[in-house]
Amino acid sequence: ILNVEQSPQSLHVQEGDSTNFTCSFPSSNFYALHWYRWETAKSPEALFVMTLNGDEKKKGRISATLNTKEGYSYLYIKGSQPEDSATYLCVLHGGATNKLIFGTGTLLAVQP
Amino acid sequence: DSGVTQTPKHLITATGQRVTLRCSPRSGDLSVYWYQQSLDQGLQFLIQYYNGEERAKGNILERFSAQQFPDLHSELNLSSLELGDSALYFCASSASGDTQPQHFGDGTRLSIL
Repeated sequence: ILNVEQSPQSLHVQEGDSTNFTCSFPSSNFYALHWYRWETAKSPEALFVMTLNGDEKKKGRISATLNTKEGYSYLYIKGSQPEDSATYLCVLHGGATNKLIFGTGTLLAVQP
Repeated sequence: DSGVTQTPKHLITATGQRVTLRCSPRSGDLSVYWYQQSLDQGLQFLIQYYNGEERAKGNILERFSAQQFPDLHSELNLSSLELGDSALYFCASSASGDTQPQHFGDGTRLSIL
């Protein structure tokens, strides 16, 4: 059974703080890892798709890294803003099964 | 606006009934994915279609089925509905394969009475 774990489960930070979350996944059977941002009462919004070990991607103040050998990805937010408040989901695409396995998400709350 | 359209937005029906949820992908996207979000649960992947063919299957019940039509829109059919099927059903589309980002619709909220 493929299991994707995210930590922490929730995070409260002050505006301007930088923060990071972890997504852990089984390193075997890796095909791709997706990060999504999901605001309450909206639909998930794609942030990054990562495929290669050592990948680093950046979008504004948000960046992500990938280590497929040890099975983890980090998502960083620099200088958090209240509008960054959302649940951040990582999704493993397991190549052999073609299935998509969602992590439980990290709920970020940024206090002004 | 993601470009993915789901209809209807809300659906209320009774146990034992059958419903069809519809999804129009973003223009040019070949892959369509269906997800279920039940109360207090995360997103569960149900099924993926690529250019009309089933590509991957997740935790989809036998009472549920889907298809993707030649114009690339997709329908998710839910039959013999049970109270536990009440959920938000999302459709997402991507350009081609699995290394492309998915764009989500706003979802269809299904309530079973």
